[in-house]
Amino acid sequence: ETGVTQTPRHLVMGMTNKKSLKCEQHLGHNAMYWYKQSAKKPLELMFVYNFKEQTENNSVPSRFSPECPNSSHLFLHLHTLQPEDSALYLCASSQAFGVQAEAFFGQGTRLTVV
Amino acid sequence: GIQVEQSPPDLILQEGANSTLRCNFSDSVNNLQWFHQNPWGQLINLFYIPSGTKQNGRLSATTVATERYSLLYISSSQTTDSGVYFCAVAANTGFQKLVFGTGTRLLVSP
Repeated sequence: ETGVTQTPRHLVMGMTNKKSLKCEQHLGHNAMYWYKQSAKKPLELMFVYNFKEQTENNSVPSRFSPECPNSSHLFLHLHTLQPEDSALYLCASSQAFGVQAEAFFGQGTRLTVV
Repeated sequence: GIQVEQSPPDLILQEGANSTLRCNFSDSVNNLQWFHQNPWGQLINLFYIPSGTKQNGRLSATTVATERYSLLYISSSQTTDSGVYFCAVAANTGFQKLVFGTGTRLLVSP
């Protein structure tokens, strides 16, 4: 399997639930990212991990908790979400530095909070 | 931070027509990518083009980094080209954090 894979593709959760999104990359990259795409808004960078270390947190509420156990896997743990958190969540990977730092995205998880 | 503007926001074409999408950015970049977002939400890589010109079939792209803009050309458009086209850039800070434009929504009718 190649590329960036996200699971699940669709998720419906209540505001009191706890769930996790998973991302796996098979491209040998050393940086991974979470982006959020809400309706009528541009994609927003949420978190960046470089060599498993979190290097960016763009003022994301604490109800979103990322985890990067190794350079190939990235999780986004969700708890006590709000309906306005409903969105498409996209994972990406790239080389962190260098000339060929093209980013590749997974298929996304479409999250609905009810 | 860096700003990215795309134009036009919406575009309707007849099948077979050509089009040009524009991306302006506000600062020096070391990464510029064009994506096509399909109806299921996946971002498909079209071009990695921080400078210069590239072609891939009916699509081509040009980035003039010194003037801070990039163009995506679609020739002989097909209905399967419909979707949203995004430009994304990373500033010259040594780390790849893509900032996205608001996209151009393209509809190609038969």
